[in-house]
Amino acid sequence: ELQLLQSGGGLVQPGGSLRLSCAASGFTVSNNYMCWVRQAPGKGLEWVSVIYSGGDTSYADSVKGRFTISRDNSKNTLYLQMNSLRTEDTALYYCAREGSFLDWGYDYWGQGALVTVSS
Amino acid sequence: QSALTQPASVSGSPGQSIAISCTGTSSDIGDYNYVSWYQQPPGKAPKLLIYDIYKRPSWVSTRFSGSKSGATASLTISGLQPEDEADYYCSSYSSINTLIFGGGTKVTVL
Repeated sequence: ELQLLQSGGGLVQPGGSLRLSCAASGFTVSNNYMCWVRQAPGKGLEWVSVIYSGGDTSYADSVKGRFTISRDNSKNTLYLQMNSLRTEDTALYYCAREGSFLDWGYDYWGQGALVTVSS
Repeated sequence: QSALTQPASVSGSPGQSIAISCTGTSSDIGDYNYVSWYQQPPGKAPKLLIYDIYKRPSWVSTRFSGSKSGATASLTISGLQPEDEADYYCSSYSSINTLIFGGGTKVTVL
């Protein structure tokens, strides 16, 4: 069964850092496009970043230069390193997989990890 | 990049059909066919309903259908059922390798 299991959320002060993890089972992370999507409390979905199977990456303007998406092929795990965090980064962060031939459609999602940025 | 525009809420009675619109620009929906739709029940992760404007994954009911005209995409739910109550989001590929979501539409079954 395909599954994405997230960890790493928590409370952090403005300006601080946090790393989210997303461990995959049932498929190989490096063979798929993988992304992060976030949802602020009571708000809609916001796309954050993608890493392509070839390793190239792309980011939303709101996080560019502060967040870094990466993966560890040996652990079959996706990461999101978040630096210089701001209060507006407070959100539930989801990792998701773009299914083969789904053209930016995300078919499997993690359970979400809550990140709270507050002093 | 601004979010795609969706109505805040849509409602219907059981058995009826409803449509949710998603309006973008010539830089996203108007120029690409990579439009997807998601269903998000309260407290749960989103679920993919539609990709490439109208294609359905195998696990999705045929009651859900998608279309596009110009820079506006639409999701139609036929034979509305109580379990369809949820938030619905559209998304579109945008120029420069990014994705944008709509603001979300709350569907209420009366």
